[in-house]
Amino acid sequence: GAVVSQHPSRVICKSGTSVKIECRSLDFQATTMFWYRQFPKKSLMLMATSNEGSKATYEQGVEKDKFLINHASLTLSTLTVTSAHPEDSSFYICSAHPRARGSNFYEQYFGPGTRLTVT
Amino acid sequence: SQQGEEDPQALSIQEGENATMNCSYKTSINNLQWYRQNSGRGLVHLILIRSNEREKHSGRLRVTLDTSKKSSSLLITASRAADTASYFCATDARRETSGSRLTFGEGTQLTVNP
Repeated sequence: GAVVSQHPSRVICKSGTSVKIECRSLDFQATTMFWYRQFPKKSLMLMATSNEGSKATYEQGVEKDKFLINHASLTLSTLTVTSAHPEDSSFYICSAHPRARGSNFYEQYFGPGTRLTVT
Repeated sequence: SQQGEEDPQALSIQEGENATMNCSYKTSINNLQWYRQNSGRGLVHLILIRSNEREKHSGRLRVTLDTSKKSSSLLITASRAADTASYFCATDARRETSGSRLTFGEGTQLTVNP
């Protein structure tokens, strides 16, 4: 099956620093990757859609200068939380949509998530 | 209200019983998907049902879709303790796009007691 990895799985950083989270599709090429944020016992909220080679599309209310997204290749997207604050503490999950069209065209494959704690 | 709302929010049953979770949504959809999430982990895709389908089966899972009522249900039969997880429905309103923009419901926390 399609595998998506995220690194790191957990990160603790101090307020004011920046943190980079990587999302990789391991055995397929992803035209599109998505970044979600999830608060405890809550649903996933889409933050942005990342297309390879172009600028990310951010959802309303998500600061693009704070959450920098780069999708430099068909297998890697990064989310950088800049000048992190305690309220940025959350579970960040990425997903990837396969490039190849087929029976699973509408499926997304999710990474295991990254737990960010800002102290 | 948010697109994709599940009920109940929490469900606790005994092993062997069936679990039914419901999802309602507000806009027209292309397809609806169900995902499972173990605590602190990523999401696992369970099943996708297209807007022109009414019912779909996968192992112990049965999903129904009623587009007239804008609702879907996920039935897990003969539940096991390992089925304990959060279950989310997600709707996809786009057509034939490269990558679907999913809107997730609030989820149902299922606990299956041994």
